[in-house]
Amino acid sequence: DTAVSQTPKYLVTQMGNDKSIKCEQNLGHDTMYWYKQDSKKFLKIMFSYNNKELIINETVPNRFSPKSPDKAHLNLHINSLELGDSAVYFCASSQSRRATNEKLFFGSGTQLSVL
Amino acid sequence: AQTVTQSQPEMSVQEAETVTLSCTYDTSESNYYLFWYKQPPSRQMILVIRQEAYKQQNATENRFSVNFQKAAKSFSLKISDSQLGDTAMYFCAFMKPSGTYKYIFGTGTRLKVLA
Repeated sequence: DTAVSQTPKYLVTQMGNDKSIKCEQNLGHDTMYWYKQDSKKFLKIMFSYNNKELIINETVPNRFSPKSPDKAHLNLHINSLELGDSAVYFCASSQSRRATNEKLFFGSGTQLSVL
Repeated sequence: AQTVTQSQPEMSVQEAETVTLSCTYDTSESNYYLFWYKQPPSRQMILVIRQEAYKQQNATENRFSVNFQKAAKSFSLKISDSQLGDTAMYFCAFMKPSGTYKYIFGTGTRLKVLA
């Protein structure tokens, strides 16, 4: 029944590795997001897709590559992981960019630890 | 560019008391949405309350209410009859319903409810 599910919940890996985080929403929403929450709890948007189209691409290293195979999925692939990539990554979705009852639905987060 | 400021990094309140969390924002837009999200220790982000800028009436949701001062660009959250389960990080967020529809979050206020 989970509305926005992301896997894995925890990811521990070595520097230099490549890893992916998956996200799926079963709400029928058009728009999906990736947010990064650092150790100080600051939430910063990374990417947003609307109907599989990239609409927000903040200043993020190109080691981060989002992929949206369909509007229900938005995966995040990270190449050559660095220590500074350690954070909690949240996937979120919203109904559409034009809905008047707009709000974000969040996944439970993926805590990435790079050693 | 829009910014959201939460000037109280940490607050505490006694159980059953009332507490107010501050949020200010900067925008030149006249139409926008404001939100308060709660992040308990479980990490899940939960919408607490939402306000549309064109509505003068302050939003309320049970024990949660806002004081929206559009001219002052202030959007504070009042929690009445605080409960232990209210212990969490609280994030204020702004969204402009045009362009990229990006949500911008404040840095958060850590609220601890004391027994």
